[in-house]
Amino acid sequence: DTGVSQDPRHKITKRGQNVTFRCDPISEHNRLYWYRQTLGQGPEFLTYFQNEAQLEKSRLLSDRFSAERPKGSFSTLEIQRTEQGDSAMYLCASSLAGRVRSGANVLTFGAGSRLTVL
Amino acid sequence: GDSVTQMEGPVTLSEEAFLTINCTYTATGYPSLFWYVQYPGEGLQLLLKATKADDKGSNKGFEATYRKETTSFHLEKGSVQVSDSAVYFCALPNDYKLSFGAGTTVTVRA
Repeated sequence: DTGVSQDPRHKITKRGQNVTFRCDPISEHNRLYWYRQTLGQGPEFLTYFQNEAQLEKSRLLSDRFSAERPKGSFSTLEIQRTEQGDSAMYLCASSLAGRVRSGANVLTFGAGSRLTVL
Repeated sequence: GDSVTQMEGPVTLSEEAFLTINCTYTATGYPSLFWYVQYPGEGLQLLLKATKADDKGSNKGFEATYRKETTSFHLEKGSVQVSDSAVYFCALPNDYKLSFGAGTTVTVRA
């Protein structure tokens, strides 16, 4: 297993353009998470899926953001009409379903997709 | 909701120095606690975890003890190396996801 893969690793775009990021989780993991990380901050939760169902969305996920996981495997995160404030690292993580609280199911992160909006 | 508060950095050390990074938590009950590490240009990796009070997690020479009396989970390493230069994040579960501290940047000089 190659772990969690994210593509592209870097994206530079102009304000107002749309961008899409892809995440391929560990194959047997049915949970998939998206986080955003800005400089000097810890990762902030955006949304998560269990299989193809999007079960929770953070208030950080404005109307310009949409995430999908159509067949319960890979996921995409699209940002429409990008703004300079969207510049950040977008992290994807996956895990098995089950209690995170007990520590039994650990989140495995990808290397991230860095977005720069000019 | 449950949260962690992490010591602010950055921290700069010489090789073989002792490292400690403070982390305190606010939580209902006793959730698992985690330390993640992010090396330059890479994603977050799980460094260690403790699943119940008084547990000690350890990995790569790092240790952290889950102390319910002080609601803390401080990360320690007795002798750091240049390769330990990274950003360290304390984290705890919040429903089905993890909540992270702000991160502490550690730089180890040769």
